[in-house]
Amino acid sequence: DTGVSQNPRHKITKRGQNVTFRCDPISEHNRLYWYRQTLGQGPEFLTYFQNEAQLEKSRLLSDRFSAERPKGSFSTLEIQRTEQGDSAMYLCASSPLRGRVFGEKLFFGSGTQLSVL
Amino acid sequence: DAKTTQPNSMESNEEEPVHLPCNHSTISGTDYIHWYRQLPSQGPEYVIHGLTSNVNNRMASLAIAEDRKSSTLILHRATLRDAAVYYCILRDATSGTYKYIFGTGTRLKVLA
Repeated sequence: DTGVSQNPRHKITKRGQNVTFRCDPISEHNRLYWYRQTLGQGPEFLTYFQNEAQLEKSRLLSDRFSAERPKGSFSTLEIQRTEQGDSAMYLCASSPLRGRVFGEKLFFGSGTQLSVL
Repeated sequence: DAKTTQPNSMESNEEEPVHLPCNHSTISGTDYIHWYRQLPSQGPEYVIHGLTSNVNNRMASLAIAEDRKSSTLILHRATLRDAAVYYCILRDATSGTYKYIFGTGTRLKVLA
């Protein structure tokens, strides 16, 4: 168990630029989640995948945001035309799914801190 | 989804027990009570979860009220490494997802 890995750890960009973050879940974890966290607040759910299928998206995920999980392994979260309000910590988490038994907990990565200037 | 209420902050002396309360008066019969903590500059980390009975693991204990409208996370001997934000979250066991609704949590400060 090497843990959930997120890259980069920090990203500074100018308003209007596109950014992409990567998440490598724990091996064999079928489910992958993206959350966003702003200073002083708890994480907010954005979207989740089961294998390569994106099953649910929050209303927080505007059309400037897109997430993919090709081949059901790593995932990427892209933000187009970044705005200052996008500045936040973007957290990835994964959990196993074995048959119809769901994992008991989420394993979170350390996040990617995005700063939009 | 049912909501939880926690104090914004608490303090404890090192090596003393800590009781972190959580109110969830609108909890439903299928809601599990989950606790996570978030250390500085890290993602949340699972601590413990339960449904009706009290639960113990190597990290903590979870005491659940008989009416399930409140619960308490117990750290038996706080250390400086336990300083973190602790989140109490309800998860509907029938939903099949971990679309958690985090509140603002309780920031625990441990004094040396």
